[in-house]
Amino acid sequence: QPVLTQPPSASASLGASVTLTCTLSSGYSNYKVDWYQQRPGKGPRFVMRVGTGGIVGSKGDGIPDRFSVLGSGLNRYLTIKNIQEEDESDYHCGADHGSGSNFVWVFGGGTKLTVL
Amino acid sequence: EVQLVESGGGLVQPGGSLRLSCAASGFTFSSYWMHWVRQAPGKGLVWVSRINSDGSSTSYADSVKGRFTISRDNAKNTLYLQMNSLRAEDTAVYYCARDRLTMVRGVIENWFDPWGQGTLVTVSS
Repeated sequence: QPVLTQPPSASASLGASVTLTCTLSSGYSNYKVDWYQQRPGKGPRFVMRVGTGGIVGSKGDGIPDRFSVLGSGLNRYLTIKNIQEEDESDYHCGADHGSGSNFVWVFGGGTKLTVL
Repeated sequence: EVQLVESGGGLVQPGGSLRLSCAASGFTFSSYWMHWVRQAPGKGLVWVSRINSDGSSTSYADSVKGRFTISRDNAKNTLYLQMNSLRAEDTAVYYCARDRLTMVRGVIENWFDPWGQGTLVTVSS
């Protein structure tokens, strides 16, 4: 099964842009990845799915246009432009693997985004 | 409004049991697969289990296989997680999440949307 790696932290100033990275383990370059936003003390919220061709389907409900994704090789990126205070959250990436009794869903360790 | 509300968490001793519930509203519960995902304090998300729409098929993470049982009651719009032989490492916030299926360019895609607010399970003596 794939392993998803995320840097533990990132920071950006109010109004700036930031790109968060989720890296798939070798051999899984065709996998799509989901991004989830988790504000402090809340349950996660679906942001969008990304493959090597970019966004798959549509964004989650209420996700602003400032959020975009890109996929290249083993990396899946989430870019946030014009960062706002409400974007300060943990961002998790996840992917499904297998089927039936061998099905698993794997997540990265999450990146804590701090808005300066 | 689509909503998932978990309940049933609490403090339990190692080796004990607990049953979590997830009440669904705002959508046709019986049409959707459902999942449980957990998050230990200060840690990342970990998938626990899933169940298909009529409850006839289930999957589990290796870490809970044989100890946890996922089930559902479509008449009550409720998802359950029966947790037995609990260990300290099961301490976490447990979230239920809907498996949202979408057809994109002829391919079935699915992701977790929405999630509940979570219920805390603490395993400690």
